[in-house]
Amino acid sequence: NAGVTQTPKFQVLKTGQSMTLQCAQDMNHEYMSWYRQDPGMGLRLIHYSVGAGITDQGEVPNGYNVSRSTTEDFPLRLLSAAPSQTSVYFCASSYREEQYFGPGTRLTVT
Amino acid sequence: QQQVKQSPQSLIVQKGGISIINCAYENTAFDYFPWYQQFPGKGPALLIAIRPDVSEKKEGRFTISFNKSAKQFSLHIMDSQPGDSATYFCAPRSSYTGGFKTIFGAGTRLFVKA
Repeated sequence: NAGVTQTPKFQVLKTGQSMTLQCAQDMNHEYMSWYRQDPGMGLRLIHYSVGAGITDQGEVPNGYNVSRSTTEDFPLRLLSAAPSQTSVYFCASSYREEQYFGPGTRLTVT
Repeated sequence: QQQVKQSPQSLIVQKGGISIINCAYENTAFDYFPWYQQFPGKGPALLIAIRPDVSEKKEGRFTISFNKSAKQFSLHIMDSQPGDSATYFCAPRSSYTGGFKTIFGAGTRLFVKA
């Protein structure tokens, strides 16, 4: 099993550009989530999904969109990037209590 | 983020010593209390977790102590090793019909001196 994979690993965007961060898991987990990690603030939940076709907002959803058309994939879209979205983004999938995290995407918005 | 307060922010321990990290929470609906370990450039990984019906859980050199009345839980690392140098997060979770939500503490950077 590859576990949770994320692409790209690094990305630099200009303010106002859009992009999609990809996340995929091969463990058949129903629950998937996106977090952002900023220095001194731990991980904050952006959006999550309890299954295909179902998504909901987390703590910091503004500026981000998600969709879940399959169990395996959970992409995160930035419609108009802002410098405040510079962060490291982690995708996670869950089976029961344990969350399995991907390797992260480091995003810089200039 | 105010729901979970983790301390200390950073910790330096000699090899062989005991590392202790604390987590205080406010939400009495939390029903699962894990600690995650994160190495630089990697995603967090579950280290050890406890449910509120027990007061202590030990796995090798790692122990969770849980105090429900004080709304606190802590991670103890015995015989700390340089390989334990990482950032540790408490991440209590609350369940609801159809899913759950996890709140992460701000993290503790542990450095174990050889």
